Amino acid sequence: DSGVTQTPKHLITATGQRVTLRCSPRSGDLSVYWYQQSLDQGLQFLIQYYNGEERAKGNILERFSAQQFPDLHSELNLSSLELGDSALYFCASSGGTAQTGYTFGSGTRLTVV
Amino acid sequence: GENVEQHPSTLSVQEGDSAVIKCTYSDSASNYFPWYKQELGKGPQLIIDIRSNVGEKKDQRIAVTLNKTAKHFSLHITETQPEDSAVYFCAAYSGYALNFGKGTSLLVTP
Repeated sequence: DSGVTQTPKHLITATGQRVTLRCSPRSGDLSVYWYQQSLDQGLQFLIQYYNGEERAKGNILERFSAQQFPDLHSELNLSSLELGDSALYFCASSGGTAQTGYTFGSGTRLTVV
Repeated sequence: GENVEQHPSTLSVQEGDSAVIKCTYSDSASNYFPWYKQELGKGPQLIIDIRSNVGEKKDQRIAVTLNKTAKHFSLHITETQPEDSAVYFCAAYSGYALNFGKGTSLLVTP
């Protein structure tokens, strides 16, 4: 157990729907990072939050959004889902910046049908 | 932004042999280079990292080297074992998040 908790582990939904993925960071970590992992694109950075505030955006689609709550857990919202959104979504946490290394959760596998 | 290239995409070695995975990066400001191991059904796990002020770092059977001038870094695994079979990712930090290579699938055959 890495200490980073992601729920649910698996999610199957239809095109056009909206889903919410949840992440609880490791105790004491203030930064949360979201990544999308697909077979052909590897690990793509989506967005970072630090202590409740958005810090950086990567290749995140406008249909996707995220937030970090006062208890430091984070949610990634994916809307108007398309078949191509099917992927593994990982959350990682770190104490401060990414220079201290990440701890990844076990991921949420999203399948859009 | 930072671009990290990783080679090879697949690597098969016999147990006991060495394995080498190479990465290049584009942003000369990058100063932190971790390596992650991902086993099937799990999230990536940090196995070793190196900072830009260091040329080499070892931890038992694994080592990482960094050439800042050439902007490349490598992972070396010696005396490979079947449990080393996994996907390995290199990454580079350039100001806000880690940018990852596309991964190397390592297979160690007995």
